[in-house]
Amino acid sequence: NAGVTQTPKFQVLKTGQSMTLQCAQDMNHNSMYWYRQDPGMGLRLIYYSASEGTTDKGEVPNGYNVSRLNKREFSLRLESAAPSQTSVYFCASSGGIGTEAFFGQGTRLTVV
Amino acid sequence: AQRVTQPEKLLSVFKGAPVELKCNYSYSGSPELFWYVQYSRQRLQLLLRHISRESIKGFTADLNKGETSFHLKKPFAQEEDSAMYYCALKVRNRDDKIIFGKGTRLHILP
Repeated sequence: NAGVTQTPKFQVLKTGQSMTLQCAQDMNHNSMYWYRQDPGMGLRLIYYSASEGTTDKGEVPNGYNVSRLNKREFSLRLESAAPSQTSVYFCASSGGIGTEAFFGQGTRLTVV
Repeated sequence: AQRVTQPEKLLSVFKGAPVELKCNYSYSGSPELFWYVQYSRQRLQLLLRHISRESIKGFTADLNKGETSFHLKKPFAQEEDSAMYYCALKVRNRDDKIIFGKGTRLHILP
């Protein structure tokens, strides 16, 4: 049982380049999330999806887009990367009431 | 708006001393609260959830709705408790948003 899987684990981008972070879960969860983790800022919610076909903005959505491709997959896209997007990105999923979020191993992104 | 506040960025405690990590929340509905732990360069993992009122690794947390708090406590700190701790609030409406506090780094001194 893999849980939540993110790819890639590490990435270096040049300013202005685009990329997509992939996330998949095999726990049949309805809800999926993308967070970024920065020193002193904790985890900030970028986007989330309560079910297949729906997405909502979180606390820091600017510069990002998401796609809930199906129930299993939730991708995060940076259209034009900026140095301020250097961060560790975590994907998570959650079931219904009373269930916690399960996290992926994170993607360490550096934008130069 | 929903908010989770962890007032301490860093908490240093001697081994064997009691630990209390503070968490306050702001939410008008009925909250679901969690504590997560993150060891160095690892993914976040669940430590406690308020709904199950359990004790994990000697840690406990009680939801106080009057004070809107969910503080994490342990009577005797151990060196392996050194980690980053996050308090999280799950918004129980149609969209199941989960928001986190900024985290507290717990450093256990020998």
